[in-house]
Amino acid sequence: EDQVTQSPEALRLQEGESSSLNCSYTVSGLRGLFWYRQDPGKGPEFLFTLYSAGEEKEKERLKATLTKKESFLHITAPKPEDSATYLCAFNSGGSNYKLTFGKGTLLTVNP
Amino acid sequence: KAGVTQTPRYLIKTRGQQVTLSCSPISGHRSVSWYQQTPGQGLQFLFEYFSETQRNKGNFPGRFSGRQFSNSRSEMNVSTLELGDSALYLCASSLGKDTDTQYFGPGTRLTVL
Repeated sequence: EDQVTQSPEALRLQEGESSSLNCSYTVSGLRGLFWYRQDPGKGPEFLFTLYSAGEEKEKERLKATLTKKESFLHITAPKPEDSATYLCAFNSGGSNYKLTFGKGTLLTVNP
Repeated sequence: KAGVTQTPRYLIKTRGQQVTLSCSPISGHRSVSWYQQTPGQGLQFLFEYFSETQRNKGNFPGRFSGRQFSNSRSEMNVSTLELGDSALYLCASSLGKDTDTQYFGPGTRLTVL
């Protein structure tokens, strides 16, 4: 069965302390791996889409990478405004137009 | 370009009632998906529509239904509400291919009393 697991469930960092979030997936045919950021009470905000192993994308302090079994979201020198829940999801294709989401990582960055 | 809009933003209903939620996709997007988000289960897929046709459905009871109109706007309906239906209902739109990014709206917070 296709599934995705995110770790850790929660992460507390000091401002400027870099770290990585993990998204491990088991899927028969990956059509896309997506990262979103979600603030409390709001809809997920799109960050990155990755399609093939070895692909990397960057945006400000965030960098997403993809291997055949997992994806990482690297956060460099985080700021308090980076505090949010980070969600990863995949689409497995095969006439599946749905995203399967992990439970997310709640990131808190203290000033 | 305007984002995905959802109405209403908040809704309070009682058990047994029914509710209709509305979603307007990003201009040019023909696919609309619906998700339910709860603290315990996270984000779960409800259904997806493309050009007024349901292409995919998640594992939810038949009380949950939806439709899409010719202008790509979509509605979802929940009949005979149960306490467990309290959740954030999210709509997402995309161009329509399974590789396309889905962009989410702000959600409708449904509380069932």
